[in-house]
Amino acid sequence: AQTVTQSQPEMSVQEAETVTLSCTYDTSESDYYLFWYKQPPSRQMILVIRQEAYKQQNATENRFSVNFQKAAKSFSLKISDSQLGDAAMYFCAYMGAGNMLTFGGGTRLMVKP
Amino acid sequence: DVKVTQSSRYLVKRTGEKVFLECVQDMDHENMFWYRQDPGLGLRLIYFSYDVKMKEKGDIPEGYSVSREKKERFSLILESASTNQTSMYLCASSLGLAGAYEQYFGPGTRLTVT
Repeated sequence: AQTVTQSQPEMSVQEAETVTLSCTYDTSESDYYLFWYKQPPSRQMILVIRQEAYKQQNATENRFSVNFQKAAKSFSLKISDSQLGDAAMYFCAYMGAGNMLTFGGGTRLMVKP
Repeated sequence: DVKVTQSSRYLVKRTGEKVFLECVQDMDHENMFWYRQDPGLGLRLIYFSYDVKMKEKGDIPEGYSVSREKKERFSLILESASTNQTSMYLCASSLGLAGAYEQYFGPGTRLTVT
């Protein structure tokens, strides 16, 4: 079974600075998807960014980018120019051939003004 | 915009009660999911449904059942609530099952069983 590990339960960043959230996963599959989801306080979870394993180029979405290291099974999320609205729980997730999401334990990001 | 709604934001029930959590989506999505969210454990899949009246077990189905009589509605049922089912429950829907299809989440129901 696949596992997803987020080793940082909490992180903090100064507004306008850059922060990187870590995620590692374990799988024997070669084709899969990786995701970062954001859950703001008392609001619905939304998809931030998605990476297909066969694509070597790292995905980017505006201020959000990933560092996908397939051999190391690492999938970190970088948030540039952090804003107060980035404060949330962030979940890393894996989807393989079974088409079901496996989530990590989450990282709570705090943004200091 | 996709909208996934859940019947209650907060719910308090007594041990042994039968509990119904309702989820409705308005985008004609084929697939619907129920997750449980606990601190440090992330989200874990309880059940999902890929069509009306069709269901599949997820990772933690014990103590739960589901019902999907209409495409837009997916219910989670706790036949006899127990204190270890105190948790946040999230519903989601998607057009397809593969990774190219985004799952859209509801706001969650925080259930407390006393």
